Amino acid sequence: EVQLVESGGGLVQPGGSLRLSCAASGFTVSDKYMSWVRQAPGKGLEWVSVIYSGGNTYYADSVKGRFTISRDNSNNTLYLQMNSLRAEDTALYYCAQDVIWGQGTMVTVSS
Amino acid sequence: DIQMTQSPSTLSASVGDRVTITCRARQSISNWLAWYQQKPGKAPKLLIYKASSLESGVPSRFSGSGSGTEFTLTISSLQPDDFATYYCQQYNRYFGGGTKVEIK
Repeated sequence: EVQLVESGGGLVQPGGSLRLSCAASGFTVSDKYMSWVRQAPGKGLEWVSVIYSGGNTYYADSVKGRFTISRDNSNNTLYLQMNSLRAEDTALYYCAQDVIWGQGTMVTVSS
Repeated sequence: DIQMTQSPSTLSASVGDRVTITCRARQSISNWLAWYQQKPGKAPKLLIYKASSLESGVPSRFSGSGSGTEFTLTISSLQPDDFATYYCQQYNRYFGGGTKVEIK
């Protein structure tokens, strides 16, 4: 079955770090472009980052310099390393590949 | 970065109505545009890719058009299952602000 399963969310203090994981099954992460998309409570979708099969990465201005997208081919897993977290990073974080979306993992940044 | 602007932000309509949602890009994105439907508590669902191609399994009452900077999503006859929020997205980049389709 083709699916994506995110994990790693939780409560973190402002300035802290968190690493999100997205385990893929049914396809190979390194063969596809993979994205992170977030949605703050009651708000719209916000694109965060993308990594292409060739390894090129791109980030939204709101996270550039703080977040890093990567993948582990041996584990077929996508990651999002989030540093210097702010209250405005509070959101449900989805990983996505074309039509395939995970269920999301919630990140709350609060003291 | 290319910003995407959707209108309207909210739309009230009745079952059977024809509904049109507009998405504008600040600069040309050719046909690199997708449309998603999202219902509360659910992940978005892809409806249209490359501006006008219907994703497999999506009802034919949904259609997309446009290229360059202006795009539209049309629902030819609104059904009860279509009340949701719709987003446009430049491929692998920015989303529009969303259009909530409500029951009139």
